[in-house]
Amino acid sequence: RKEVEQDPGPFNVPEGATVAFNCTYSNSASQSFFWYRQDCRKEPKLLMSVYSSGNEDGRFTAQLNRASQYISLLIRDSKLSDSATYLCVVKFIDYKLSFGAGTTVTVRA
Amino acid sequence: DTAVSQTPKYLVTQMGNDKSIKCEQNLGHDTMYWYKQDSKKFLKIMFSYNNKELIINETVPNRFSPKSPDKAHLNLHINSLELGDSAVYFCASSQGLAGVNTGELFFGEGSRLTVL
Repeated sequence: RKEVEQDPGPFNVPEGATVAFNCTYSNSASQSFFWYRQDCRKEPKLLMSVYSSGNEDGRFTAQLNRASQYISLLIRDSKLSDSATYLCVVKFIDYKLSFGAGTTVTVRA
Repeated sequence: DTAVSQTPKYLVTQMGNDKSIKCEQNLGHDTMYWYKQDSKKFLKIMFSYNNKELIINETVPNRFSPKSPDKAHLNLHINSLELGDSAVYFCASSQGLAGVNTGELFFGEGSRLTVL
């Protein structure tokens, strides 16, 4: 079983729609959680951290469910510029980040 | 100024050849990494160095040898290239191991290696 699993998508949504997707992780001792964004043929960049109580950053909301071992990302009022692959990242031990294979989101006009 | 720069961006070579990819960061970070992203977009860590000391060495063939001459540089040398080595190799850096609390890694633009 992979350490971090994501639905690859793609999620095709119209502008202005809300899209949400999850990521599951296998190690219950995981410490920290993050979402990265990767545009086509570009490098990954940190989008936001995921806190235990859930957190928002503008139109983006991240949630953590430790009991069920998943994190989620919700994007409200989707923009064309939100089209990207969203990578779920989990820190299992102090010095290693494990990346999921990503969920692709395509926002259409 | 590019924060994490790696060269070359594209590399096309024959099986059996030896090649190197160089990486430099000007962020003053103490930790650097090599990640491999295959055709399925799975980003897998290969090596991590902290203050020039090897911290992570995942199950990577011996044909791959990292070298960190100083904190700002981490190079990757690959011997006897195989078809399966074709991938995008990303260099990254962070302040502290795995970015400590921020989890923020700064990636280079990637080096796309194609082995024919």
